[in-house]
Amino acid sequence: NAGVTQTPKFRILKIGQSMTLQCTQDMNHNYMYWYRQDPGMGLKLIYYSVGAGITDKGEVPNGYNVSRSTTEDFPLRLELAAPSQTSVYFCASSYSVATNYEQYFGPGTRLTVT
Amino acid sequence: GENVEQHPSTLSVQEGDSAVIKCTYSDSASNYFPWYKQELGKGPQLIIDIRSNVGEKKDQRIAVTLNKTAKHFSLHITETQPEDSAVYFCAASKNNAGKSTFGDGTTLTVKP
Repeated sequence: NAGVTQTPKFRILKIGQSMTLQCTQDMNHNYMYWYRQDPGMGLKLIYYSVGAGITDKGEVPNGYNVSRSTTEDFPLRLELAAPSQTSVYFCASSYSVATNYEQYFGPGTRLTVT
Repeated sequence: GENVEQHPSTLSVQEGDSAVIKCTYSDSASNYFPWYKQELGKGPQLIIDIRSNVGEKKDQRIAVTLNKTAKHFSLHITETQPEDSAVYFCAASKNNAGKSTFGDGTTLTVKP
């Protein structure tokens, strides 16, 4: 299993541009998450999904959108990029069993907005 | 919502010494407390977790303790090795889609 994969690894955007961060998992997990990690800070939840077709906002959703058309894919869309969105973005997935909440993280996408 | 505070933010120990990282949480309904290790340039990886019906859990050199009354939990690493150097995150969650609130992380440096 490849686990959780993210593309691209690095990206530089100009203010006002848009982009989609891709995330795919091959573990048949129902739950998927997007986090951002700012320097010296913990992970902040942007959006999450409990299954295909179901998404919900996390702690810091403004400026982002998500979709979940399949179990495997959970892309994160940035519209009108702003310098405040400069961060490292992590996608994660987990089982939907109530006794197992371990989250499996991808390697991250480092995004710079200038 | 849940608030998780983690201390210290940086910790430097000599190889072979023990390291302790502490976290407090605010929501008494939280019942799952994982610890993640993040190596440079990688995503976090679960190293140990504990549920609210357990007071302590151990896995080789790593142990976690939980005090539900005081709403705090701690990570203990014994006989530290240079490869333990990383950023460690604590987190807390409820039975709610597995969503976790993370602490701000502790950078552990183990000096050989």
